Amino acid sequence: TQLLEQSPQFLSIQEGENLTVYCNSSSVFSSLQWYRQEPGEGPVLLVTVVTGGEVKKLKRLTFQFGDARKDSSLHITAAQPGDTGLYLCAGAATGAQKLVFGQGTRLTINP
Amino acid sequence: EPEVTQTPSHQVTQMGQEVILRCVPISNHLYFYWYRQILGQKVEFLVSFYNNEISEKSEIFDDQFSVERPDGSNFTLKIRSTKLEDSAMYFCASSVQGAYNSPLHFGNGTRLTVT
Repeated sequence: TQLLEQSPQFLSIQEGENLTVYCNSSSVFSSLQWYRQEPGEGPVLLVTVVTGGEVKKLKRLTFQFGDARKDSSLHITAAQPGDTGLYLCAGAATGAQKLVFGQGTRLTINP
Repeated sequence: EPEVTQTPSHQVTQMGQEVILRCVPISNHLYFYWYRQILGQKVEFLVSFYNNEISEKSEIFDDQFSVERPDGSNFTLKIRSTKLEDSAMYFCASSVQGAYNSPLHFGNGTRLTVT
């Protein structure tokens, strides 16, 4: 059974600080996706990483896929209150039709 | 931007009743999915559907559940005899290619409450 462990589960920091969220597994994934979910809504895709060692940037968000494609990280620079939300990582094995989700990181940025 | 739409947004039903949750995937997508999220827990895969048949399902997706694409646009999830533990948010998703090769686009969910 493939599992994705996210850490931390909860993070509360001040505006302007940097943070990193981790997504780890003992399994290899063909691709890994990061989503953000607002209360009462479905997950919204932020980025997909597919190549080991890949780094993608989305404004102040930097996503990295581990060399062995077993882990990923999300780094936010100079966090803002608008970054507050639930961040989910999700992975798919080669040929698989299902995404395995991590339990999420609930991020709160205090003004 | 095209989006996945789900109806109803909230469904309340009594234990033992049948419910049908409806979804309209993005029109040029070929793969369709149902996921659920019990309050405070992970998003869990239920089933994937491609080329008018189930391509993968989880152990949660037992005989009480079925999916159908009755026409060219709708994708439905039926729960035959609901149980209290079926209470959850149910998300429909679609993608151009399979999940390993293509990002999923999710609807805003149906909150199912079984009393």
